[in-house]
Amino acid sequence: EVQLVESGGGLVQPGRSLRLSCAASGFTFDDYAMHWVRQAPGKGLEWVSGISWNSGSTGYADSVKGRFTISRDNAKNSLYLQMNSLRAEDTALYYCARTMPLYSSSSAFDYWGQGTLVTVSS
Amino acid sequence: DIQMTQSPSSLSASVGDRVTITCRASQSISSYLNWYQQKPGKAPKLLIYAASSLQSGVPSRFSGSGSGTDFTLTISSLQPEDFATYYCQQSYSTLYSFGQGTKLEIK
Repeated sequence: EVQLVESGGGLVQPGRSLRLSCAASGFTFDDYAMHWVRQAPGKGLEWVSGISWNSGSTGYADSVKGRFTISRDNAKNSLYLQMNSLRAEDTALYYCARTMPLYSSSSAFDYWGQGTLVTVSS
Repeated sequence: DIQMTQSPSSLSASVGDRVTITCRASQSISSYLNWYQQKPGKAPKLLIYAASSLQSGVPSRFSGSGSGTDFTLTISSLQPEDFATYYCQQSYSTLYSFGQGTKLEIK
Protein backbone atom coordinates (compact mmCIF):
# COMPACT_ATOMS: atom_id res chain seq x y z
CA GLU A 1 0.00 0.00 0.00
CA VAL A 2 1.38 3.38 -1.01
CA GLN A 3 1.80 5.70 1.96
CA LEU A 4 3.07 9.26 2.18
CA VAL A 5 3.43 10.71 5.66
CA GLU A 6 4.37 14.34 6.12
CA SER A 7 5.92 15.78 9.26
CA GLY A 8 7.76 18.86 10.47
CA GLY A 9 4.97 21.41 10.44
CA GLY A 10 4.24 23.75 13.31
CA LEU A 11 4.06 27.35 14.47
CA VAL A 12 6.97 29.51 13.37
CA GLN A 13 7.67 33.24 13.47
CA PRO A 14 7.94 35.27 10.28
CA GLY A 15 11.44 35.25 8.86
CA ARG A 16 12.34 31.94 10.46
CA SER A 17 12.91 28.53 8.84
CA LEU A 18 11.24 25.14 8.90
CA ARG A 19 12.01 21.82 7.25
CA LEU A 20 9.22 19.50 6.18
CA SER A 21 9.69 15.80 5.58
CA CYS A 22 7.65 13.22 3.72
CA ALA A 23 8.26 9.54 4.42
CA ALA A 24 7.28 7.27 1.55
CA SER A 25 6.52 3.56 1.65
CA GLY A 26 4.79 0.89 -0.39
CA PHE A 27 6.49 1.71 -3.70
CA THR A 28 9.94 2.09 -5.24
CA PHE A 29 10.56 5.69 -4.23
CA ASP A 30 13.39 6.40 -6.63
CA ASP A 31 11.21 5.54 -9.63
CA TYR A 32 8.99 8.59 -9.12
CA ALA A 33 9.08 12.36 -9.28
CA MET A 34 7.64 13.97 -6.17
CA HIS A 35 5.96 17.27 -5.33
CA TRP A 36 4.84 19.58 -2.57
CA VAL A 37 1.40 21.18 -2.83
CA ARG A 38 -0.06 23.55 -0.26
CA GLN A 39 -3.50 24.73 0.71
CA ALA A 40 -4.04 27.86 2.76
CA PRO A 41 -6.97 27.68 5.20
CA GLY A 42 -10.23 27.78 3.26
CA LYS A 43 -8.42 28.25 -0.06
CA GLY A 44 -7.54 26.22 -3.11
CA LEU A 45 -4.57 24.08 -4.03
CA GLU A 46 -1.24 25.66 -4.94
CA TRP A 47 1.65 23.69 -6.41
CA VAL A 48 4.82 24.62 -4.51
CA SER A 49 7.71 22.54 -5.81
CA GLY A 50 8.67 19.35 -7.59
CA ILE A 51 11.74 17.16 -7.98
CA SER A 52 12.66 14.45 -10.47
CA TRP A 53 13.43 10.89 -9.45
CA ASN A 54 17.19 11.49 -9.35
CA SER A 55 17.12 15.10 -8.08
CA GLY A 56 18.43 16.20 -11.48
CA SER A 57 15.54 18.58 -12.04
CA THR A 58 13.65 20.80 -9.62
CA GLY A 59 10.99 23.44 -10.01
CA TYR A 60 9.40 26.08 -7.83
CA ALA A 61 6.36 28.29 -7.85
CA ASP A 62 7.22 31.97 -8.20
CA SER A 63 5.79 32.57 -4.73
CA VAL A 64 8.51 30.45 -3.06
CA LYS A 65 11.42 30.65 -5.49
CA GLY A 66 14.63 31.64 -3.72
CA ARG A 67 13.19 30.86 -0.29
CA PHE A 68 12.24 27.16 -0.46
CA THR A 69 14.44 24.22 -1.46
CA ILE A 70 13.16 20.78 -2.34
CA SER A 71 15.35 17.71 -1.94
CA ARG A 72 15.09 13.97 -1.57
CA ASP A 73 17.07 11.09 -0.12
CA ASN A 74 16.28 7.96 -2.11
CA ALA A 75 18.19 5.78 0.33
CA LYS A 76 15.82 6.93 3.07
CA ASN A 77 12.68 7.03 0.90
CA SER A 78 12.19 10.61 1.96
CA LEU A 79 11.25 13.95 0.44
CA TYR A 80 12.06 17.27 2.05
CA LEU A 81 11.14 20.93 1.80
CA GLN A 82 13.45 23.46 3.40
CA MET A 83 11.49 26.66 3.94
CA ASN A 84 13.42 29.83 4.75
CA SER A 85 12.35 33.44 5.26
CA LEU A 86 8.83 32.33 6.03
CA ARG A 87 5.96 34.76 5.61
CA ALA A 88 2.44 34.88 6.94
CA GLU A 89 1.18 33.98 3.46
CA ASP A 90 3.07 30.67 3.65
CA THR A 91 0.59 29.50 6.29
CA ALA A 92 -1.01 26.39 4.84
CA LEU A 93 -1.43 22.65 4.96
CA TYR A 94 1.49 21.18 3.01
CA TYR A 95 0.93 17.95 1.12
CA CYS A 96 3.51 15.75 -0.52
CA ALA A 97 2.33 13.99 -3.66
CA ARG A 98 3.64 11.35 -6.02
CA THR A 99 3.68 11.65 -9.80
CA MET A 100 2.11 8.87 -11.84
CA PRO A 101 4.41 6.13 -13.15
CA LEU A 102 6.43 6.86 -16.29
CA TYR A 103 4.52 4.24 -18.29
CA SER A 104 1.29 6.21 -17.78
CA SER A 105 2.64 9.08 -19.91
CA SER A 106 1.11 11.46 -17.41
CA SER A 107 2.58 13.49 -14.58
CA ALA A 108 -0.65 13.79 -12.64
CA PHE A 109 -0.37 13.33 -8.88
CA ASP A 110 -1.80 9.93 -8.04
CA TYR A 111 -1.04 9.61 -4.32
CA TRP A 112 -1.12 12.28 -1.64
CA GLY A 113 -0.23 12.39 2.02
CA GLN A 114 -2.56 13.81 4.65
CA GLY A 115 -0.56 17.00 5.01
CA THR A 116 1.34 18.86 7.70
CA LEU A 117 0.20 22.27 8.90
CA VAL A 118 2.57 25.23 8.83
CA THR A 119 1.50 28.37 10.65
CA VAL A 120 3.61 31.49 10.28
CA SER A 121 2.75 34.02 12.94
CA SER A 122 4.39 36.14 15.58
CA ASP B 1 3.04 30.84 -16.32
CA ILE B 2 -0.11 28.99 -17.34
CA GLN B 3 -3.30 30.16 -15.64
CA MET B 4 -6.18 27.76 -15.11
CA THR B 5 -9.72 29.11 -14.74
CA GLN B 6 -12.63 26.97 -13.64
CA SER B 7 -16.32 27.71 -13.95
CA PRO B 8 -18.52 27.86 -12.12
CA SER B 9 -16.86 28.51 -8.76
CA SER B 10 -19.79 26.86 -7.04
CA LEU B 11 -22.69 24.76 -8.15
CA SER B 12 -25.82 23.41 -6.50
CA ALA B 13 -27.25 20.18 -7.82
CA SER B 14 -29.40 17.24 -6.80
CA VAL B 15 -28.69 13.53 -6.57
CA GLY B 16 -29.15 12.04 -10.01
CA ASP B 17 -28.35 15.25 -11.88
CA ARG B 18 -25.83 15.45 -14.71
CA VAL B 19 -23.18 18.04 -13.89
CA THR B 20 -20.47 19.64 -15.99
CA ILE B 21 -17.53 21.69 -14.74
CA THR B 22 -15.37 23.65 -17.14
CA CYS B 23 -11.66 24.44 -17.01
CA ARG B 24 -9.87 26.83 -19.35
CA ALA B 25 -6.11 27.21 -19.75
CA SER B 26 -4.46 30.52 -20.62
CA GLN B 27 -2.55 28.79 -23.43
CA SER B 28 -2.73 25.46 -25.19
CA ILE B 29 -1.82 22.55 -22.94
CA SER B 30 -2.66 19.75 -25.39
CA SER B 31 -4.25 17.02 -23.25
CA TYR B 32 -2.11 17.61 -20.16
CA LEU B 33 -5.08 18.23 -17.91
CA ASN B 34 -6.00 16.43 -14.70
CA TRP B 35 -9.02 16.55 -12.40
CA TYR B 36 -9.05 16.04 -8.65
CA GLN B 37 -11.79 15.70 -6.05
CA GLN B 38 -11.33 16.97 -2.51
CA LYS B 39 -13.65 16.41 0.40
CA PRO B 40 -13.45 18.49 3.60
CA GLY B 41 -10.49 17.53 5.78
CA LYS B 42 -9.15 15.09 3.20
CA ALA B 43 -6.33 15.07 0.69
CA PRO B 44 -7.19 15.53 -2.99
CA LYS B 45 -7.95 12.43 -5.01
CA LEU B 46 -7.04 11.99 -8.67
CA LEU B 47 -10.10 11.33 -10.83
CA ILE B 48 -9.07 11.96 -14.43
CA TYR B 49 -5.63 12.31 -16.02
CA ALA B 50 -4.57 13.25 -19.54
CA ALA B 51 -7.92 15.00 -20.01
CA SER B 52 -10.01 11.87 -20.43
CA SER B 53 -8.36 8.85 -18.79
CA LEU B 54 -10.18 7.52 -15.76
CA GLN B 55 -7.92 6.81 -12.79
CA SER B 56 -8.11 3.25 -11.50
CA GLY B 57 -10.93 2.76 -9.03
CA VAL B 58 -12.85 5.89 -10.00
CA PRO B 59 -16.51 5.28 -10.90
CA SER B 60 -17.40 5.43 -14.58
CA ARG B 61 -19.96 8.19 -13.98
CA PHE B 62 -16.97 10.54 -14.02
CA SER B 63 -15.63 11.51 -17.43
CA GLY B 64 -13.37 14.16 -18.88
CA SER B 65 -12.99 15.69 -22.29
CA GLY B 66 -11.24 18.48 -24.15
CA SER B 67 -7.89 19.46 -25.53
CA GLY B 68 -5.96 22.63 -26.21
CA THR B 69 -7.40 25.23 -23.86
CA ASP B 70 -10.92 24.04 -23.00
CA PHE B 71 -11.78 21.04 -20.87
CA THR B 72 -14.78 19.61 -19.05
CA LEU B 73 -15.41 17.22 -16.19
CA THR B 74 -18.80 15.55 -16.32
CA ILE B 75 -20.56 13.56 -13.63
CA SER B 76 -23.33 11.66 -15.37
CA SER B 77 -25.56 10.97 -12.36
CA LEU B 78 -24.62 12.64 -9.09
CA GLN B 79 -24.32 10.44 -6.05
CA PRO B 80 -24.35 11.66 -2.44
CA GLU B 81 -20.61 11.00 -2.10
CA ASP B 82 -19.82 13.27 -5.07
CA PHE B 83 -20.53 16.49 -3.21
CA ALA B 84 -17.05 17.93 -2.87
CA THR B 85 -14.69 20.48 -4.39
CA TYR B 86 -13.17 19.74 -7.79
CA TYR B 87 -9.89 21.09 -9.14
CA CYS B 88 -8.33 20.99 -12.56
CA GLN B 89 -4.55 20.99 -12.95
CA GLN B 90 -2.27 21.40 -15.94
CA SER B 91 0.80 19.22 -16.26
CA TYR B 92 1.95 20.63 -19.60
CA SER B 93 4.38 22.95 -17.88
CA THR B 94 6.55 21.70 -15.04
CA LEU B 95 5.36 24.79 -13.19
CA TYR B 96 2.17 22.91 -12.46
CA SER B 97 -0.90 25.01 -11.73
CA PHE B 98 -4.38 24.35 -10.43
CA GLY B 99 -7.69 25.97 -11.11
CA GLN B 100 -9.35 27.81 -8.23
CA GLY B 101 -11.78 24.98 -7.57
CA THR B 102 -15.48 24.31 -8.05
CA LYS B 103 -17.52 23.55 -4.96
CA LEU B 104 -20.37 21.17 -5.71
CA GLU B 105 -23.14 21.45 -3.15
CA ILE B 106 -26.42 19.70 -2.53
CA LYS B 107 -29.49 21.59 -3.72
